[in-house]
Amino acid sequence: ETGVTQSPTHLIKTRGQQVTLRCSSQSGHNTVSWYQQALGQGPQFIFQYYREEENGRGNFPPRFSGLQFPNYSSELNVNALELDDSALYLCASRYGPGLYEQYFGPGTRLTVT
Amino acid sequence: SQELEQSPQSLIVQEGKNLTINCTSSKTLYGLYWYKQKYGEGLIFLMMLQKGGEEKSHEKITAKLDEKKQQSSLHITASQPSHAGIYLCGAIASGGSYIPTFGRGTSLIVHP
Repeated sequence: ETGVTQSPTHLIKTRGQQVTLRCSSQSGHNTVSWYQQALGQGPQFIFQYYREEENGRGNFPPRFSGLQFPNYSSELNVNALELDDSALYLCASRYGPGLYEQYFGPGTRLTVT
Repeated sequence: SQELEQSPQSLIVQEGKNLTINCTSSKTLYGLYWYKQKYGEGLIFLMMLQKGGEEKSHEKITAKLDEKKQQSSLHITASQPSHAGIYLCGAIASGGSYIPTFGRGTSLIVHP
């Protein structure tokens, strides 16, 4: 079991609403990445934070935004929810932005109706 | 952009059998992660491989990185029902960021 935690576990939202997902990184890890995983697919990279700065972004629209706090925990915010945003959202942390072991949290299942 | 293909897409084996899952990249590999996932849950870290033909083992699982073939293989010896799940590889291409691109996964079922 890793030290990465995510909340909430499950969430149901209506199209057009906004949602905030939270992630606590493993102790000692300053780099947090967020992924979206649709059913039957591999995780798709959304963005990465290193020491409170975004230092990488995947092919996701600006309505996906994030934050990293001084304790290296992180938030993922999604505005104007669409039905296609329904997915498992995964957070991962590692020691630094280089090639280090990366550990995932249990995920947040978001359903948009 | 990097493309990653995992094969086979699914695998059904009898308990005790050996099996191999492959992960092939369209770009030269700098590093690669292997994870296991139960349906709807987070990814469980298995191992990370670095360039240089690295090979690692953990319990009955062995994985190797072959940069020339732009491929990694994960081998399970004497499979058990506890090995069942989805195996995902996440590849890091040379010359890029250290952010992995993931394959679609290989679904493994082990019959007792």
